[in-house]
Amino acid sequence: QKEVEQDPGPLSVPEGAIVSLNCTYSNSAFQYFMWYRQYSRKGPELLMYTYSSGNKEDGRFTAQVDKSSKYISLFIRDSQPSDSATYLCATGGPSNTGKLIFGQGTTLQVKP
Amino acid sequence: ETGVTQSPTHLIKTRGQQVTLRCSSQSGHNTVSWYQQALGQGPQFIFQYYREEENGRGNFPPRFSGLQFPNYSSELNVNALELDDSALYLCASSLDRGHADTQYFGPGTRLTVL
Repeated sequence: QKEVEQDPGPLSVPEGAIVSLNCTYSNSAFQYFMWYRQYSRKGPELLMYTYSSGNKEDGRFTAQVDKSSKYISLFIRDSQPSDSATYLCATGGPSNTGKLIFGQGTTLQVKP
Repeated sequence: ETGVTQSPTHLIKTRGQQVTLRCSSQSGHNTVSWYQQALGQGPQFIFQYYREEENGRGNFPPRFSGLQFPNYSSELNVNALELDDSALYLCASSLDRGHADTQYFGPGTRLTVL
């Protein structure tokens, strides 16, 4: 079993739709949770990070963590064609080794 | 503020050769991590360097080795290349090893092994 599971998609939505991206993780010791966006042939770009259960909002993006069910989500409101990319969830901690464990990534296409 | 840079952008090698990839960390960051990203997969942690010392290693064989220099730039060396080493190699820097949760990635080096 992978430590972080993520549906690879692809996910195709019309412009303006609300997008929901999800991951599950297996290790309850994980302390921090991130979402990265990766455009084709580019490095991952940090979108959001959070340490605790609950919601964190930044513009059109909301990250949600439920530690009791080991479930993390990213919601994108009013999706735009420029949001078309691969979205990677990642988790890590509690050690100081800096090891991030990534999901497989979900490919999102937002159609105009 | 300069972001994370990596060189070269692309590289083609043959099986059995050796390769060196380079990374310059973001200004003010003293910690560098290396990841391997196979096509269609998420990045996998290779190792991390903090103040010129290895600070954690993933499940990669010893032929993957690294260095960090006093200016916090870093190299990834891979010996005896295998076909499965073909991947995007990503470098990420963070402010400190205690800030591993906010790692900023470079654009990557795409390695093709023939």
